Amino acid sequence: GENVEQHPSTLSVQEGDSAVIKCTYSDSASNYFPWYKQELGKRPQLIIDIRSNVGEKKDQRIAVTLNKTAKHFSLHITETQPEDSAVYFCAAPGGPGGYNKLIFGAGTRLAVHP
Amino acid sequence: ETGVTQSPTHLIKTRGQQVTLRCSSQSGHNTVSWYQQALGQGPQFIFQYYREEENGRGNFPPRFSGLQFPNYSSELNVNALELDDSALYLCASSLAGRGGANVLTFGAGSRLTVL
Repeated sequence: GENVEQHPSTLSVQEGDSAVIKCTYSDSASNYFPWYKQELGKRPQLIIDIRSNVGEKKDQRIAVTLNKTAKHFSLHITETQPEDSAVYFCAAPGGPGGYNKLIFGAGTRLAVHP
Repeated sequence: ETGVTQSPTHLIKTRGQQVTLRCSSQSGHNTVSWYQQALGQGPQFIFQYYREEENGRGNFPPRFSGLQFPNYSSELNVNALELDDSALYLCASSLAGRGGANVLTFGAGSRLTVL
């Protein structure tokens, strides 16, 4: 079944620096890769996603890259701001529920220091 | 357009009891998925409902069950509660078809504490 591994588990950066979070997946049939941001005590919110027919997608300060051959995808945040501090989750379809269901990574706690 | 709403927001139960959690999906969505999020972990898929039927299930025992109603709202029921069931239960709605089933909109969750 699908397995999604996420690294690092914690990441601390200075305001203005870049942050990169990486995920690997096991099921080569997976075709959709979202990233969610969860602030303390709040719901996960979709911040960016990518489908398997493209290699990169950008939305202002955030971008996602996908390497289907290596089965990994990454979240890139540039010019980080304190409000970027949160837990970030990657996900991929698959697992015992099938391809209409998402399997989540364990999360990366990002801290942006002023 | 209304978002995903869940109730109750917090509840405390004791071992062996039963609990029902409720979810109203986002307007225009027809699919509801339930996830369990233990403290410090990622959401774990419990099951999904589409057209009022279970449409896939994760590695959860049968004492976790659910329903979907004609208006696409949903319930999660957990029987014979165990201490390890303490978690945040997240409901997410989506629109099946054209690859939209995985584009999830989450509710704020129901935090269950089992004593």
